[in-house]
Amino acid sequence: RKEVEQDPGPFNVPEGATVAFNCTYSNSASQSFFWYRQDCRKEPKLLMSVYSSGNEDGRFTAQLNRASQYISLLIRDSKLSDSATYLCVGMDSNYQLIWGAGTKLIIKP
Amino acid sequence: NAGVTQTPKFQVLKTGQSMTLQCAQDMNHEYMSWYRQDPGMGLRLIHYSVGAGITDQGEVPNGYNVSRSTTEDFPLRLLSAAPSQTSVYFCASSSTTFTDTQYFGPGTRLTVL
Repeated sequence: RKEVEQDPGPFNVPEGATVAFNCTYSNSASQSFFWYRQDCRKEPKLLMSVYSSGNEDGRFTAQLNRASQYISLLIRDSKLSDSATYLCVGMDSNYQLIWGAGTKLIIKP
Repeated sequence: NAGVTQTPKFQVLKTGQSMTLQCAQDMNHEYMSWYRQDPGMGLRLIHYSVGAGITDQGEVPNGYNVSRSTTEDFPLRLLSAAPSQTSVYFCASSSTTFTDTQYFGPGTRLTVL
């Protein structure tokens, strides 16, 4: 089983809509989770960290569900510029970062 | 600050050739890593370094060497290129731990024929 799994998508969403996607992880001891954003043919960039209490940054909300071992990312009032691939990141048993393959999001006008 | 720089941006090699991918950062970060990114897969850690003079293997180290003689530079050497090493390579740095924000270079697209 992959340690961090994501639905590859693509999620096709109209501009202004709300979209959410999840990421499941297998290492129950993982303490740190992140969402990174990667634009086409570019490098990943940190979107937000995911705290136990959740984390909100403007239109973006990240949640952690330890009981079911998944993290989620919610994007409200989506913009065309939100089109990207969103990478979920957890940690393995050696405290190394483990990256999901990404969920592709396409916002349509 | 230039952040993390990588050279070259693109490279085509023949099987058996060797080459070095360059990575430098000007943020005085202790942690540096090399990843490869392949279609349908997450970033995979090749080698990493927790400071000058210290390197260690990641998930997929075979066929690659690294060195860290200075805080700024972390080159990745392909010893004898194979088609399986065709990938996009990213160098990243972070301040003090891997759970700090990872800053990535723009990547090197490598094709091995």
